[in-house]
Amino acid sequence: QKEVEQNSGPLSVPEGAIASLNCTYSDRGSQSFFWYRQYSGKSPELIMSIYSNGDKEDGRFTAQLNKASQYVSLLIRDSQPSDSATYLCAVWNGNQFYFGTGTSLTVIP
Amino acid sequence: DVKVTQSSRYLVKRTGEKVFLECVQDMDHENMFWYRQDPGLGLRLIYFSYDVKMKEKGDIPEGYSVSREKKERFSLILESASTNQTSMYLCASSLGETGLQETQYFGPGTRLLVL
Repeated sequence: QKEVEQNSGPLSVPEGAIASLNCTYSDRGSQSFFWYRQYSGKSPELIMSIYSNGDKEDGRFTAQLNKASQYVSLLIRDSQPSDSATYLCAVWNGNQFYFGTGTSLTVIP
Repeated sequence: DVKVTQSSRYLVKRTGEKVFLECVQDMDHENMFWYRQDPGLGLRLIYFSYDVKMKEKGDIPEGYSVSREKKERFSLILESASTNQTSMYLCASSLGETGLQETQYFGPGTRLLVL
C-alpha cells in the first residue's frame, strides 16, 4: 500500500466550475498535509498546507482535512485555464515527506 | 521568500561521466533533499540530509552519492552516469526543528539527459 494515493486523472472541468482533487494517506500519525501545483516541465510549487481537521481557505483554494478518514482534498473554485497543471498531495509524518503521484487537471475554456 | 536554486536547468552528459548537481538554499534550513521525478513514477527520494556533513539514504540511492559540507549547499553526485539516470532532478529544503509543521520548498529542477 502506498503512503499517499491520488487519482491520476486526468480530471477535466469547464472554466468557472469547481475542481475537486482527492488524496488518502496510510500513516495515522501524519500531522502535516500539503498541496503542490506542478506545471509541465516545472518544479512543484506549494499552494496550500493544512494541519488540523476541517477546512482552510486561501483565495479560490480550499483544503479539507479529515484525519479520522485519512483523507485530504483540494477544491478550486472558479477554475481558470491557468489552473491546468498536475496537483501533488504530500504528507509529513514527523520523519519523512511522502508524495502522491499527482492528479492532472485540465480546465477547458 | 524561501529560495532554493539549482546550478543548471538543463544538462547533457555522456555515459560514464561524473556529474555534479548543486543545490543552494538561502533560508538557513536544516533539512535538504534530492528527488528524481519520472513520468508515472512520481517523486522518488534519493538522499536527504538533516544537518551539515550528515546524509541518509532515501528510496533509490543506488548510483548516487551526496555531499553537504555547508548548511546551505547540498550536492548530488552521479559517479558514473548511465542512461537510466536521465530524469528531472529536484532539490528541496525544509526548516527542520519545527516538529509537526514542516514545509518543503523545491528548487526549479535540473533536467538531465545522459547519452
